[in-house]
Amino acid sequence: DTEVTQTPKHLVMGMTNKKSLKCEQHMGHRAMYWYKQKAKKPPELMFVYSYEKLSINESVPSRFSPECPNSSLLNLHLHALQPEDSALYLCASSPGQGTGNTIYFGEGSWLTVV
Amino acid sequence: EDKVVQSPLSLVVHEGDTVTLNCSYEVTNFRSLLWYKQEKKAPTFLFMLTSSGIEKKSGRLSSILDKKELSSILNITATQTGDSAIYLCAVVWGSSNTGKLIFGQGTTLQVKP
Repeated sequence: DTEVTQTPKHLVMGMTNKKSLKCEQHMGHRAMYWYKQKAKKPPELMFVYSYEKLSINESVPSRFSPECPNSSLLNLHLHALQPEDSALYLCASSPGQGTGNTIYFGEGSWLTVV
Repeated sequence: EDKVVQSPLSLVVHEGDTVTLNCSYEVTNFRSLLWYKQEKKAPTFLFMLTSSGIEKKSGRLSSILDKKELSSILNITATQTGDSAIYLCAVVWGSSNTGKLIFGQGTTLQVKP
């Protein structure tokens, strides 16, 4: 079973709202990722958590705030977003952060900022 | 600058045709290469390839990496309309504990009945 589940699947929020995206995996994976994908573009890495600690932040604006409450959960808190932040947000996980590990993606959360 | 380039960017074929998708890379500290299939949702993992050069197969799909040419191909034989999707190539690079992916632009494959 290589399932990464994300909620909600669709989210519409105003520029003053605070919302969160959630991601869960029960494969015992120790690395979890957030990617952002705009239409007709490949995914772009935002954050990497390894063993529940933030290990990579790809210079993401502070209006995106990741959180890893435990080894199975990864959240992305959203505040004061801009319309250009509208995109598909993908969560992914891998057994470890090591480079030989396959990265599995969830189905994504479609975010629209109005 | 590290980069991953896929070709062609788009391809239209008819059912039953065989297609070959290409991925080339210029990446420091290459570790492995991943192929994904993306329909209207998240990328679905297909294969992971390393410098060992071992071919991977799954049904009508197969893939191999040529470490001398710094490239990989994804073959699909006897294509079906369900193969229509964007095929993404991604390279895992960096030090042993980064797990960063660089994606190519993707190849959009359309299989007509």
